[in-house]
Amino acid sequence: DTAVSQTPKYLVTQMGNDKSIKCEQNLGHDTMYWYKQDSKKFLKIMFSYNNKELIINETVPNRFSPKSPDKAHLNLHINSLELGDSAVYFCASSQGTFPLIGTIYFGEGSWLTVV
Amino acid sequence: AQKVTQAQTEISVVEKEDVTLDCVYETRDTTYYLFWYKQPPSGELVFLIRRNSFDEQNEISGRYSWNFQKSTSSFNFTITASQVVDSAVYFCALSEELGGNKLVFGAGTILRVKS
Repeated sequence: DTAVSQTPKYLVTQMGNDKSIKCEQNLGHDTMYWYKQDSKKFLKIMFSYNNKELIINETVPNRFSPKSPDKAHLNLHINSLELGDSAVYFCASSQGTFPLIGTIYFGEGSWLTVV
Repeated sequence: AQKVTQAQTEISVVEKEDVTLDCVYETRDTTYYLFWYKQPPSGELVFLIRRNSFDEQNEISGRYSWNFQKSTSSFNFTITASQVVDSAVYFCALSEELGGNKLVFGAGTILRVKS
């Protein structure tokens, strides 16, 4: 069983479209994240949710809206896609908060290409 | 200021050589965590190790070993007797108490192991 699963794995879409990426974790973790990896492989956090509450919201355009219907799911919706949104989006999860945080496990990534 | 520095952009070795990947971090927190992840050509992020700031013991796991030195703010990773399957991008990451649970990644080191 995949611990952190994301769908779709590959997504090619046109500029201006709206798309969603779904994430589910079966680890029983209370914290979930979205990270973005750009074309230079640089990884940066976008959002973090703890028990369905938004706790980290980095400087991300408001076209990106995360939604956590429950602790096991964190979806990412992107409106009005732009060419610069092309990247790999990773979902992740962990258990606990500082000073006791557990290992952060990542999904396999969702490759988004905007044409 | 960059919080995690992986100064080696790319390293090439021949199989069976030992290789050390450097990681230097910067934080004002006394409580923090350091991680290493491997990203093979298939693209997923594979967890390798998590270490908290109060545990300076070095760790060995098979051919992998980690040297954590708070005095130099370094958390270096050594692969002994490298194999072609070790070819990947390796990321060092920091999670600070002030930053919440988020990971701040280094730029990554590309390791190429040739047969």
